[in-house]
Amino acid sequence: AQTVTQSQPEMSVQEAETVTLSCTYDTSESDYYLFWYKQPPSRQMILVIRQEAYKQQNATENRFSVNFQKAAKSFSLKISDSQLGDAAMYSCYQGGSEKLVFGKGTKLTVNP
Amino acid sequence: DAGVIQSPRHEVTEMGQEVTLRCKPISGHDYLFWYRQTMMRGLELLIYFNNNVPIDDSGMPEDRFSAKMPNASFSTLKIQPSEPRDSAVYFCASSSQGRRGSANYGYTFGSGTRLTVV
Repeated sequence: AQTVTQSQPEMSVQEAETVTLSCTYDTSESDYYLFWYKQPPSRQMILVIRQEAYKQQNATENRFSVNFQKAAKSFSLKISDSQLGDAAMYSCYQGGSEKLVFGKGTKLTVNP
Repeated sequence: DAGVIQSPRHEVTEMGQEVTLRCKPISGHDYLFWYRQTMMRGLELLIYFNNNVPIDDSGMPEDRFSAKMPNASFSTLKIQPSEPRDSAVYFCASSSQGRRGSANYGYTFGSGTRLTVV
């Protein structure tokens, strides 16, 4: 069965600094996608970044980047120059053939 | 497109009552998912449909939960009878996945329904 683990229930970062959120997964599939979503207090699920497992290059989206280690089944999210608006619940998930498997989430607090 | 639309946004009901949550997916999306979110368990997949047909309902907690998708533009999640432990945020999501599975740009989520059973 697919599993996704986020080992950090909560994290905090000072504004303008960098923070890394960890995510590990376990799957027997060879072709899959990995995603990070953020969920601010508004509750809306917002796609932050995605990574295609067959690509070696780490995905980058403005201040957000991933460190994808396929052999280790690790998919961490780095947020650079953190902003107050980055405060949210961040969930990683692995999408395989059809359905998604989510981690439990990491609540990120950004301190001014 | 207005995105995935869920209603109601909030629902407070008494234990034992029937609750129906509604979802309108994005037009053209052939997959629809129902998730439940709690602090303890995070996001859990309850059931998903492909072309209106339920594919996997193994996440449905018990017989009190049922879901239907009578057509491509509407789905319901029903809880009967509701219990306090059902209190959670319920999300609906839709996607169009193509041959490579969860391809393209991920899934689009609705804003969720916060259910409180007292």
